[in-house]
Amino acid sequence: AQSVTQLDSQVPVFEEAPVELRCNYSSSVSVYLFWYVQYPNQGLQLLLKYLSGSTLVKGINGFEAEFNKSQTSFHLRKPSVHISDTAEYFCAVRNFGNEKLTFGTGTRLTIIP
Amino acid sequence: DAGVIQSPRHEVTEMGQEVTLRCKPISGHNSLFWYRQTMMRGLELLIYFNNNVPIDDSGMPEDRFSAKMPNASFSTLKIQPSEPRDSAVYFCASRGSFHKDRMNQPQHFGDGTRLSIL
Repeated sequence: AQSVTQLDSQVPVFEEAPVELRCNYSSSVSVYLFWYVQYPNQGLQLLLKYLSGSTLVKGINGFEAEFNKSQTSFHLRKPSVHISDTAEYFCAVRNFGNEKLTFGTGTRLTIIP
Repeated sequence: DAGVIQSPRHEVTEMGQEVTLRCKPISGHNSLFWYRQTMMRGLELLIYFNNNVPIDDSGMPEDRFSAKMPNASFSTLKIQPSEPRDSAVYFCASRGSFHKDRMNQPQHFGDGTRLSIL
């Protein structure tokens, strides 16, 4: 069975500063990896996904993530955050050949003006 | 393009009442997922369908919960009788399989139904 760990439940960051949201996963087989963002009172929106190929994946809103197989990590980064990035971010994993998407517990990103 | 549409957006009802949540997936998508989100347990997959057929309902918490997908454009999640601990946000998501790489297509989420059982 796969699992996802997001160690930071809350991350406060000053506006225009860089941010990294951490995600580690566990699985006995190859995986697909995803980051979703949830704005208040809305559903989850896909930020980016890693399927195969280049380990550096670029997504929407200036976010990117790097897949590190040896460390089983898929950390999300943005070089300069904006007030509008305030939201909850979820890392998710799905095993090859499996429909189930397993989510982490989420990281609440708060941007400080 | 219309996304996944859920109704109602908010539901407040008394315990013991029947609750029905509705979902219209994105046209052409044939995988549909129901999730529940709470502060304590985060996002949990309750059940998912492929081509209107329930594939895995191991996440359904109790027999009080049931889900149906009578056709490709509609699904319901029903709770009968409802209890206060069912209060949560319920999300529906769908995914397409028209692409040859079906398994790496992302899920698209609706805006959820916020359910409060008094």
